[in-house]
Amino acid sequence: DVKVTQSSRYLVKRTGEKVFLECVQDMDHENMFWYRQDPGLGLRLIYFSYDVKMKEKGDIPEGYSVSREKKERFSLILESASTNQTSMYLCASSFLAPGELFFGEGSRLTVL
Amino acid sequence: RKEVEQDPGPFNVPEGATVAFNCTYSNSASQSFFWYRQDCRKEPKLLMSVYSSGNEDGRFTAQLNRASQYISLLIRDSKLSDSATYLCVVNPTSGTYKYIFGTGTRLKVLA
Repeated sequence: DVKVTQSSRYLVKRTGEKVFLECVQDMDHENMFWYRQDPGLGLRLIYFSYDVKMKEKGDIPEGYSVSREKKERFSLILESASTNQTSMYLCASSFLAPGELFFGEGSRLTVL
Repeated sequence: RKEVEQDPGPFNVPEGATVAFNCTYSNSASQSFFWYRQDCRKEPKLLMSVYSSGNEDGRFTAQLNRASQYISLLIRDSKLSDSATYLCVVNPTSGTYKYIFGTGTRLKVLA
């Protein structure tokens, strides 16, 4: 089975802190994604990566950056967390585009 | 108009009932369509892809109506375990990573 693992299920950070969310997949998938999910807004794409060191902005990249140094790992970085970044963050991977998305369990971030 | 729209529900149905959800999409050139299921406080998981000819998987049937730009999901003989949020997902451009998610339809199956 495909396994997408997100490093932290729950985080509480203060405004202005730098936040790292880590995601690792074990199926050698080329494509990896970071989404955030908010009530009434659904899942929105923050960033996408289709290869090591390759990234593309999604619909809401402002305030975020990403890193993909190894194929299996895709990190989301909040350089200076703000309260409006309080959300559920979901990492996903896929072999094809489009294709089935495999999600991690999510990281619920609260910024105080 | 949202790119993908779903009735948020909740749809409250008794066990054994048949329930159907629709999802409308705005981009007539959309190529691929999916239904995902998301349990409370869990990640979304693929339920089924939606093919032009329609497809069935056990109690679940998905259909695509390109003329009216909607997809549907029919659940027969509902089980308590079917209680979840069902997300409609559309890929508007073939061969790309772009997935547009609906906000989901919540289903509650009651004993």
